[in-house]
Amino acid sequence: DQQVKQNSPSLSVQEGRISILNCDYTNSMFDYFLWYKKYPAEGPTFLISISSIKDKNEDGRFTVFLNKSAKHLSLHIVPSQPGDSAVYFCAASAKLNQGGKLIFGQGTELSVKP
Amino acid sequence: DSGVTQTPKHLITATGQRVTLRCSPRSGDLSVYWYQQSLDQGLQFLIHYYNGEERAKGNILERFSAQQFPDLHSELNLSSLELGDSALYFCASSGITGAEQYFGPGTRLTVT
Repeated sequence: DQQVKQNSPSLSVQEGRISILNCDYTNSMFDYFLWYKKYPAEGPTFLISISSIKDKNEDGRFTVFLNKSAKHLSLHIVPSQPGDSAVYFCAASAKLNQGGKLIFGQGTELSVKP
Repeated sequence: DSGVTQTPKHLITATGQRVTLRCSPRSGDLSVYWYQQSLDQGLQFLIHYYNGEERAKGNILERFSAQQFPDLHSELNLSSLELGDSALYFCASSGITGAEQYFGPGTRLTVT
């Protein structure tokens, strides 16, 4: 039972354009959502997060949008840069009930072409 | 650099053996989480410790165990190793809010 899904295994974007990575979840108990970036042979790096009481959070080039009714979140990267090429994971937690463990999606590999 | 350290970086061992993976959390973080990343399963939660006490367990095998010591470092013990245990093992730590988790570089375990 996959509670967090990233349906696009890969995404290719031109440098300077917007990258939009999508994530869907099924568990309505999730109250915190996070995006991580991962390079090969390295650990995931925290990028940005959003609480379920908000619908948008912005940090520099990165913006996360949360649509609770659709159980959907997305990460927007504007403008995209070649250094953004990596695997992006969305993750969710239900802190109150599950002690903060993260449930991860399968990841989307982003390739930003110069 | 997340501030979370893990040793060793690579480990190659034979089936049936036992290994210990070590993790030091970021300074001041009381929570340590262990995750396994295999090719077909993605990143899977194993276990969570908070200030020395076990807080939550995921789909952790009975052959696996963990502990967190008074200095807050944690060890993950894997025994009776099987080929299918080959994976990347990550630990993460978080602060008091427990919101964001910061990951170490991982230990790549290869069981031959």
